[in-house]
Amino acid sequence: DAGITQSPRHKVTETGTPVTLRCHQTENHRYMYWYRQDPGHGLRLIHYSYGVKDTDKGEVSDGYSVSRSKTEDFLLTLESATSSQTSVYFCANSPGQGALETQYFGPGTRLLVL
Amino acid sequence: GENVGLHLPTLSVQEGDNSIINCAYSNSASDYFIWYKQESGKGPQFIIDIRSNMDKRQGQRVTVLLNKTVKHLSLQIAATQPGDSAVYFCAENINGRETSGSRLTFGEGTQLTVNP
Repeated sequence: DAGITQSPRHKVTETGTPVTLRCHQTENHRYMYWYRQDPGHGLRLIHYSYGVKDTDKGEVSDGYSVSRSKTEDFLLTLESATSSQTSVYFCANSPGQGALETQYFGPGTRLLVL
Repeated sequence: GENVGLHLPTLSVQEGDNSIINCAYSNSASDYFIWYKQESGKGPQFIIDIRSNMDKRQGQRVTVLLNKTVKHLSLQIAATQPGDSAVYFCAENINGRETSGSRLTFGEGTQLTVNP
């Protein structure tokens, strides 16, 4: 179990507005990830974190930023939302014992940018 | 499910039959593989994993087979039940590093429908 909650679960916003999605874990896992899921593309990594204040880019990071000020929270920010960022966003975590680890996913946030 | 692709491969089986879901992976250097199940409106749920030094691993009602020669992974579900209806994804770990944990690349999934 990931012990992950995501908020909000659903959001509708307008193009050009900033949006922040929150991921909270209860498991104290070292690694946290943000993915987006779209038809025809599957799950794609946006950003990940390997510790407090330690983050790096994934394959689709343009237009997104992240922050991790404490172990349990990983925030994803869309600085100026665009319609192409309409998607379902999933947070995941993994314990941090090494490179070969299962990732556990949260319930997702459905974002619609009008 | 509404979260995933409109043109997913599909597999339809009768309740009680065995199901086999296949996945071709891309990188011969991948060293770790995971199967996930995703029900409509939910996040992916871990089912079973396998490392590249193995060719078979069994769980409860599920078996994963790995054929590195042809870069093929399969998930076998025994005595399939209506609750098994979902989208199933394979994921491969590519270039995992200590600074990033596992770095997974996901397939697009297969929609499994179990008919009562």
